[in-house]
Amino acid sequence: AQSVTQLDSHVSVSEGTPVLLRCNYSSSYSPSLFWYVQHPNKGLQLLLKYTSAATLVKGINGFEAEFKKSETSFHLTKPSAHMSDAAEYFCVVSDGANAGKSTFGDGTTLTVKP
Amino acid sequence: EPEVTQTPSHQVTQMGQEVILRCVPISNHLYFYWYRQILGQKVEFLVSFYNNEISEKSEIFDDQFSVERPDGSNFTLKIRSTKLEDSAMYFCASSVGRPGGHGYTFGSGTRLTVV
Repeated sequence: AQSVTQLDSHVSVSEGTPVLLRCNYSSSYSPSLFWYVQHPNKGLQLLLKYTSAATLVKGINGFEAEFKKSETSFHLTKPSAHMSDAAEYFCVVSDGANAGKSTFGDGTTLTVKP
Repeated sequence: EPEVTQTPSHQVTQMGQEVILRCVPISNHLYFYWYRQILGQKVEFLVSFYNNEISEKSEIFDDQFSVERPDGSNFTLKIRSTKLEDSAMYFCASSVGRPGGHGYTFGSGTRLTVV
């Protein structure tokens, strides 16, 4: 079985400050993990993915995430928030036993204040 | 950059009517999916499709739902007799391999409103 928990439903930061969106996962097998972003009234865009290679993964728009097996975490970070980063972010897990589907977290709404 | 295309972007239908949501996946992708997102709720898996058959489906995907790849390029989701609770954003996705290795490319979604 696989599951994912996004620890914060809302995160608010000021422009230019760091972003941290937290995600914990559960998987019976070696998981693949993803972060997707959804801007208002838009589709889902893949930000980055971990697939058992390097544990520190770099994505688009300056985001990165670190896979920590001991903590079962895959937190998303960005050193300096931009106004355009305001969106909904989803952490997603996919494991070998359920390769036909992925499980989404509940989402974290990121607000960026000027 | 290749895109997954979904049409229409918004569909309004009366309860009990049949609706077909259309998707054109990326041409070299082999795996196809439908997900839905009820307003204010999480994104939920509906069905995955590979090699012209359903590879996995969720409990949401009951007999009212069906999928088809009629012509090698389109991928459709049919809801036979819509209910009010089918109102949601429906996302089509495709991947070149299993999602565990590649992740999805999602379309922009079709907002289905059942009245």
